[in-house]
Amino acid sequence: GAGVSQSPSNKVTEKGKDVELRCDPISGHTALYWYRQRLGQGLEFLIYFQGNSAPDKSGLPSDRFSAERTGESVSTLTIQRTQQEDSAVYLCASSISYEQYFGPGTRLTVT
Amino acid sequence: SQQGEEDPQALSIQEGENATMNCSYKTSINNLQWYRQNSGRGLVHLILIRSNEREKHSGRLRVTLDTSKKSSSLLITASRAADTASYFCATPHTGNQFYFGTGTSLTVIP
Repeated sequence: GAGVSQSPSNKVTEKGKDVELRCDPISGHTALYWYRQRLGQGLEFLIYFQGNSAPDKSGLPSDRFSAERTGESVSTLTIQRTQQEDSAVYLCASSISYEQYFGPGTRLTVT
Repeated sequence: SQQGEEDPQALSIQEGENATMNCSYKTSINNLQWYRQNSGRGLVHLILIRSNEREKHSGRLRVTLDTSKKSSSLLITASRAADTASYFCATPHTGNQFYFGTGTSLTVIP
């Protein structure tokens, strides 16, 4: 069946611009995670959605970051006024239990 | 600092050899997972071991968990060039978070 998909796969943007990243989870997966991975680093938790519950936003690094999810479907991560330190791979994962299924990520480069 | 930390950071072995990587964590957990990542993209779940399990096998993978030492190891037997990847351990954290370590970069030389 279809896995987790993310778009775009690569995004180059100028400093100060806003970007929107998209994640399509596996159908039926109630949980959705966003992570950031800087080059050579581990995964940094950003935000967690579970069904219709209030999201866990405790990992968002600043108020420039926000995310939405409609029900148990698509999620978007928005970064406003991008900075060079936002350059990273942004990974989305969905799950129904402990095992997380990851998308291929969006590589964001801020110039 | 991150809870799950792998060592070594990098490992290079010949094809056919076994590869062992370790993960240490700090707080009590009810499970620990290992993931593989190729080329800096999406991670693939390899295996989950629960806190009441000491060892688990899946194909050429063997995972151990020592809750008294707060450590886990991942052994890949008879390694292949296709095993070249980064390997991460993940542990549940407070709330809904999972800690992923910085990973072990494994290179299997054909």
